[in-house]
Amino acid sequence: GAGVSQSPRYKVAKRGQDVALRCDPISGHVSLFWYQQALGQGPEFLTYFQNEAQLDKSGLPSDRFFAERPEGSVSTLKIQRTQQEDSAVYLCASSFLAGGPNTGELFFGEGSRLTVL
Amino acid sequence: QKEVEQDPGPLSVPEGAIVSLNCTYSNSAFQYFMWYRQYSRKGPELLMYTYSSGNKEDGRFTAQVDKSSKYISLFIRDSQPSDSATYLCAMSSNAGGTSYGKLTFGQGTILTVHP
Repeated sequence: GAGVSQSPRYKVAKRGQDVALRCDPISGHVSLFWYQQALGQGPEFLTYFQNEAQLDKSGLPSDRFFAERPEGSVSTLKIQRTQQEDSAVYLCASSFLAGGPNTGELFFGEGSRLTVL
Repeated sequence: QKEVEQDPGPLSVPEGAIVSLNCTYSNSAFQYFMWYRQYSRKGPELLMYTYSSGNKEDGRFTAQVDKSSKYISLFIRDSQPSDSATYLCAMSSNAGGTSYGKLTFGQGTILTVHP
């Protein structure tokens, strides 16, 4: 597709359920990021992939959060045993570059809105 | 205290007004400064990108960076109703050579331009 695609767009989970959120980056983009955006806040960094390698997972809030990008394209963010504080929009972004000064060239998807009841 | 502070507003202006949006930051390692626009239920989209201090103009938009004061601004001239959105400042550093685009965002300012 032309842009970053995320699914599902909306997910309602009961507390304690596991969820999986999918991201299809722009074809050929090397870098892939996950951000978490709570209501009324700016996005916060979760994790970064360069191709299939997860180079930074410093933003993952707990060991209940896990991300993968096994073939260097599609990525999945998994949240185990969801809690109410996990309710947020999860944004995926991709970039053609692997690094360098053009750090602003991130293309964001529309996000997956997770509500935990 | 957050690394990046941004007044959440909301800000409401009449069409044609000049809008000024601002962020302050505390991390002196930030070298790359961006403004993103986010419409309701959409992902952020890049508006302006500036490296280090200085001004950058693109159409009705001007971005300013003052690293000595740790202060950045976005000015919107001749504002239009279509400019109504949340504006997010974002920053990144090149610490340790790992400039892979890890961004630190402000809270976002909600802007409404009314006809």
